[in-house]
Amino acid sequence: EADIYQTPRYLVIGTGKKITLECSQTMGHDKMYWYQQDPGMELHLIHYSYGVNSTEKGDLSSESTVSRIRTEHFPLTLESARPSHTSQYLCASSSGGVGNTIYFGEGSWLTVV
Amino acid sequence: EDQVTQSPEALRLQEGESSSLNCSYTVSGLRGLFWYRQDPGKGPEFLFTLYSAGEEKEKERLKATLTKKESFLHITAPKPEDSATYLCAVQAGNTDKLIFGTGTRLQVFP
Repeated sequence: EADIYQTPRYLVIGTGKKITLECSQTMGHDKMYWYQQDPGMELHLIHYSYGVNSTEKGDLSSESTVSRIRTEHFPLTLESARPSHTSQYLCASSSGGVGNTIYFGEGSWLTVV
Repeated sequence: EDQVTQSPEALRLQEGESSSLNCSYTVSGLRGLFWYRQDPGKGPEFLFTLYSAGEEKEKERLKATLTKKESFLHITAPKPEDSATYLCAVQAGNTDKLIFGTGTRLQVFP
């Protein structure tokens, strides 16, 4: 069972607003990820981190930014939200190593109006 | 380019009607193939990891198998609570990043 928590679960905000999606895990995992998923579509990796002070962009270009100041915390920020940012954002973590399971949080549904 | 294709896109089954979901992949150096279950509005829930051709894993009514080109998720005597989207993902090369398929949306009717 994965202990990975995302807040908020649902958020509706206006265009131009700054938002931060929170993600925390209590498993002590070094590796953390953010995936983006539109309804009925596949998940795409937008950011990942292999440890504190390590962040990399994923395969799908995103205007969001991330930070990793603590092992357990991996927030995602949008400085100026736009309707095109409307999507589900999924945080995940892994103990590391190829073949190790990646566990997901419940997701954050973002709607920008 | 690494690619994962799942079929069918959607599947409707009567309760107790067994069937299989397919995940075909084209990757350079498969390191692991993962099956997840995703309920509407929620994150993917881990089911299985398969590492090499010929490997099989079971959990309740689900059984996953792996060949060099594809994986099957067999559902035996499904129940309505098995209704969900089933996602397949692969890790390839020397990266642990997952490449996902678009999923199979399963509906099981009483």
